[in-house]
Amino acid sequence: DTAVSQTPKYLVTQMGNDKSIKCEQNLGHDTMYWYKQDSKKFLKIMFSYNNKELIINETVPNRFSPKSPDKAHLNLHINSLELGDSAVYFCASSQNLNTGELFFGEGSRLTVL
Amino acid sequence: AQSVTQLGSHVSVSEGALVLLRCNYSSSVPPYLFWYVQYPNQGLQLLLKYTTGATLVKGINGFEAEFKKSETSFHLTKPSAHMSDAAEYFCAVRNTGGFKTIFGAGTRLFVKA
Repeated sequence: DTAVSQTPKYLVTQMGNDKSIKCEQNLGHDTMYWYKQDSKKFLKIMFSYNNKELIINETVPNRFSPKSPDKAHLNLHINSLELGDSAVYFCASSQNLNTGELFFGEGSRLTVL
Repeated sequence: AQSVTQLGSHVSVSEGALVLLRCNYSSSVPPYLFWYVQYPNQGLQLLLKYTTGATLVKGINGFEAEFKKSETSFHLTKPSAHMSDAAEYFCAVRNTGGFKTIFGAGTRLFVKA
């Protein structure tokens, strides 16, 4: 059973389209994150939710909207996709806000043409 | 604000040789420090972590790291490299009491036969 699972694994789409990525964790963790990894492998935090409440919202364009329907799920919706949005998006979870260890999903590779 | 610098974007060693991956951090408060490994097309996996206590920490796959406060370093070592160690390695820092884990730019480890 995969601890943190993301779907889809690959997304290829045209500029201007809207797309969503879903994430689920079965670890019973309270806190979930979205990270963006660019083509140079640099990882940047985008959002964090703790028990469905938004805790971290980095300087991300408001075309990106996270949603956490419950503490086991964190989805990411992206409107009006741009070329620069092409990246691998990782979902992660941690036991709570105070524990540092992150458990990562396998990533969702988004390619915007 | 905390930050992480990994010296060397690429490191190449021969099988059986010592692995040394360098990490320096900046933090205004005592940090939590981590090393993660990423294999191709996979998410990140925790190798080891330092929170408090013993400054030499051992992780999975024979890796260890030493927290040196005076040098603000947390270098990762393994006495004898194996082909399966070839991967991307990320050093990360989180302030105690903070919510964000900040990653270094990563070091790609190549292992030659």
